[in-house]
Amino acid sequence: EPEVTQTPSHQVTQMGQEVILRCVPISNHLYFYWYRQILGQKVEFLVSFYNNEISEKSEIFDDQFSVERPDGSNFTLKIRSTKLEDSAMYFCASSALEQAKNIQYFGAGTRLSVL
Amino acid sequence: AQKVTQAQTEISVVEKEDVTLDCVYETRDTTYYLFWYKQPPSGELVFLIRRNSFDEQNEISGRYSWNFQKSTSSFNFTITASQVVDSAVYFCALRGGAGGYNKLIFGAGTRLAVHP
Repeated sequence: EPEVTQTPSHQVTQMGQEVILRCVPISNHLYFYWYRQILGQKVEFLVSFYNNEISEKSEIFDDQFSVERPDGSNFTLKIRSTKLEDSAMYFCASSALEQAKNIQYFGAGTRLSVL
Repeated sequence: AQKVTQAQTEISVVEKEDVTLDCVYETRDTTYYLFWYKQPPSGELVFLIRRNSFDEQNEISGRYSWNFQKSTSSFNFTITASQVVDSAVYFCALRGGAGGYNKLIFGAGTRLAVHP
């Protein structure tokens, strides 16, 4: 069964460093998303991406964040200068174009620890 | 504004008990979708069900069933004869509008612990 793949599963970084979280969406999906979940809290939307541009972003997704689809398979989230409060689980999701199949399937997440 | 409320923070049951997880939503959209996801201890988010706003038919899948009632803006989830493997955090989510890329709004989740 196709699945969303995220790497790495756990990333430890120092405050102020740049990190790139990687995702390989399901191959025939055209919508891509990033969400985050601070430990013990709800899952929060960060950004959606379609047709090589951002469709919507939340207030969390400030200038420190960026997304990119560098090739036909990867979808990345970059945090330019990490802060302690960026520590969270980051989930990538993808969904198909057809409305009837528009379910967001999530990867297993990348746990980001900012020290 | 769109909002999902899962008032039950934690539920603890003994195996084989039935358990219902409540979800109440708010939206002004006439077209919207409701979802349930399961987050087991391993951390991933597993899709369970999607319902659109025009389909109030209840659904049953094995031991799982869902009750969607627009009149009360609720989309409750019942597990019959619970098992230890059902222990997880369960999230209800709302996607407003017909746009295919619209974001999911999650509730705070309900942690279900099923004891042997």
